[in-house]
Amino acid sequence: AQKITQTQPGMFVQEKEAVTLDCTYDTSDQSYGLFWYKQPSSGEMIFLIYQGSYDEQNATEGRYSLNFQKARKSANLVISASQLGDSAMYFCAMRDLSGGSNYKLTFGKGTLLTVNP
Amino acid sequence: NAGVTQTPKFRILKIGQSMTLQCTQDMNHNYMYWYRQDPGMGLKLIYYSVGAGITDKGEVPNGYNVSRSTTEDFPLRLELAAPSQTSVYFCASSYTGQLAYEQYFGPGTRLTVT
Repeated sequence: AQKITQTQPGMFVQEKEAVTLDCTYDTSDQSYGLFWYKQPSSGEMIFLIYQGSYDEQNATEGRYSLNFQKARKSANLVISASQLGDSAMYFCAMRDLSGGSNYKLTFGKGTLLTVNP
Repeated sequence: NAGVTQTPKFRILKIGQSMTLQCTQDMNHNYMYWYRQDPGMGLKLIYYSVGAGITDKGEVPNGYNVSRSTTEDFPLRLELAAPSQTSVYFCASSYTGQLAYEQYFGPGTRLTVT
């Protein structure tokens, strides 16, 4: 069974600074994908970034990067140059890519990020 | 670009009532999912479908039913609503195959059962 742990219920960061949101995972699968989603107060789920378990380089998407440490089973999200609009709930999620028919995402409980001006 | 649409956006049900949450996607995705999000929690999978006519249970299927008669539509049926079903419901879809890593989410339906 897959499990995602996000140990930071809430985080604060000053505008323009970088922030790291932690995510550790547990799985017996050899092939899997790790995701980060942003959920603003309006409620929609916004896909941010993806990392495959066999990807050798850390994923980057604009101001988002994923610090992937496979041996430690961690997939931390780094947001550089924080903006007020980054204030939201952030979810780490995982999906099995080993070829089974169930492509469901397993989510962590989330981290609420507040960006202060 | 409609993507994944859900109706209604909000609904209040009395205990024991039934309703159907609608979900439609226009991206020709084979895979579709229903999740629920309880306050302060991540999303949990209720049901999913890998194509028209094929559905399967997720983590928390009790009290729900689904059908998938077309590629586009994946309605979620609540029979005999209970307060424990108060939640936000998200429908999502994705491409088929192992390369299909991104799930596209609808805007959610906020359901209250009193």
